Amino acid sequence: AQSVTQLDSQVPVFEEAPVELRCNYSSSVSVYLFWYVQYPNQGLQLLLKYLSGSTLVESINGFEAEFNKSQTSFHLRKPSVHISDTAEYFCAVSEEGGADGLTFGKGTHLIIQP
Amino acid sequence: DGGITQSPKYLFRKEGQNVTLSCEQNLNHDAMYWYRQDPGQGLRLIYYSQIVNDFQKGDIAEGYSVSREKKESFPLTVTSAQKNPTAFYLCASSRLRQGNQPQHFGDGTRLSIL
Repeated sequence: AQSVTQLDSQVPVFEEAPVELRCNYSSSVSVYLFWYVQYPNQGLQLLLKYLSGSTLVESINGFEAEFNKSQTSFHLRKPSVHISDTAEYFCAVSEEGGADGLTFGKGTHLIIQP
Repeated sequence: DGGITQSPKYLFRKEGQNVTLSCEQNLNHDAMYWYRQDPGQGLRLIYYSQIVNDFQKGDIAEGYSVSREKKESFPLTVTSAQKNPTAFYLCASSRLRQGNQPQHFGDGTRLSIL
């Protein structure tokens, strides 16, 4: 069965600084990887996903994530953050051919400081 | 626009009372899910359903019940047996449970105890 670890529960950064939110997974087979964003008192929204092909995937609002099979990682990055990026970010994994569906990490709270 | 509608947004429960949270989707998805979210604990799966008239327990099903009489609807009942029901409840759906299918989320219901 798969598992996912988000090591940082909170990440404070200054506005316009770069940020990286870390995600590591564990699985013995090929995986699909997702990042979701949750704004206060709302549900989760899909930010980006890796299914196959290019290991670098991008979102429409400037985030990107790179699938690294050897490191079993799928870290989320943005070169310059804005106040509006303040939110909770969840990494999720599912296995190709697996029966367990999506497994979510515990989330990372991104705090943007002016 | 297709999506998932959860109601009510806020709900209060008295001691010993059962309450039902509504979840409706018009995405024509087969799979639906209920999650509970507590601060710092990420998302925990309560129940899921992959087809009408069938559902399975998740990791924390005790004190909860569900039904799936229609493809579009997956209501969750929080029973009096759930001793700590105060949480944010999220409903989600996907085309299939397995593989590369992302889940789509509603905006949640916040349940509190009077």
